[in-house]
Amino acid sequence: QVQLQESGPGLVKPAETLSLTCTVSGGSISSSSHHWAWIRQAPGKGLEWIASVRYGGNSYFKSSLKSRLTISVDTSKNQFSLKLGSVTAADTAVYYCARQWIPHDHADYWGQGTLVTVSS
Amino acid sequence: QSVLTQPPSVSAAPGQKVTISCSGSSSDIGKNYVSWYQQLPGTAPKLLIYDNNKRPSGIPDRFSGSKSGTSATLGITGLQTGDEADYYCGTWDSSPRAGVFGGGTKLTVL
Repeated sequence: QVQLQESGPGLVKPAETLSLTCTVSGGSISSSSHHWAWIRQAPGKGLEWIASVRYGGNSYFKSSLKSRLTISVDTSKNQFSLKLGSVTAADTAVYYCARQWIPHDHADYWGQGTLVTVSS
Repeated sequence: QSVLTQPPSVSAAPGQKVTISCSGSSSDIGKNYVSWYQQLPGTAPKLLIYDNNKRPSGIPDRFSGSKSGTSATLGITGLQTGDEADYYCGTWDSSPRAGVFGGGTKLTVL
């Protein structure tokens, strides 16, 4: 059974960098069949896909966030990470990590989500 | 603003059928597969339908999906109070290359 678990600070100050890590168990992050994605949900709002990465392959980013985003994979720890710079209150959300199948992109496993609040 | 358009809410009585629409464009739904997710309050989304009309193991056949052109539809029959949730469609946008979701539809089982 594949499991994903997000970790990172729950509170980030405005203008700083939000850093989150997703630890994958029960499956290999080196899989050529999967993208590893970050999806967020602002309070009371819908889902927003923000980025995905495939080990040894391309990364994809939401256009409006691309200049602030970095996504990476650490195969030694079976983890992938997200960095979002210059955060504002609008970046306050529950952040989910998920596994997406290539090439059809459906997300079959999700983490439980972690709330990140941007506030001074 | 979501790229895919869903109705904000739908409702029906227990035992009845409901459909939820998802409208996109030629670069997203028109070119790619659609998936559907159920999000119960306070929980992570759960995959209900993938590849337009396939159900993962464990998803009852009360849930169905279809796609035509640049639109997709989720159908739920034999509604149960436990089906009350938010439902999201999702797909890939080929230009620019990015994932996209609908704004979500809140299902109320009256």
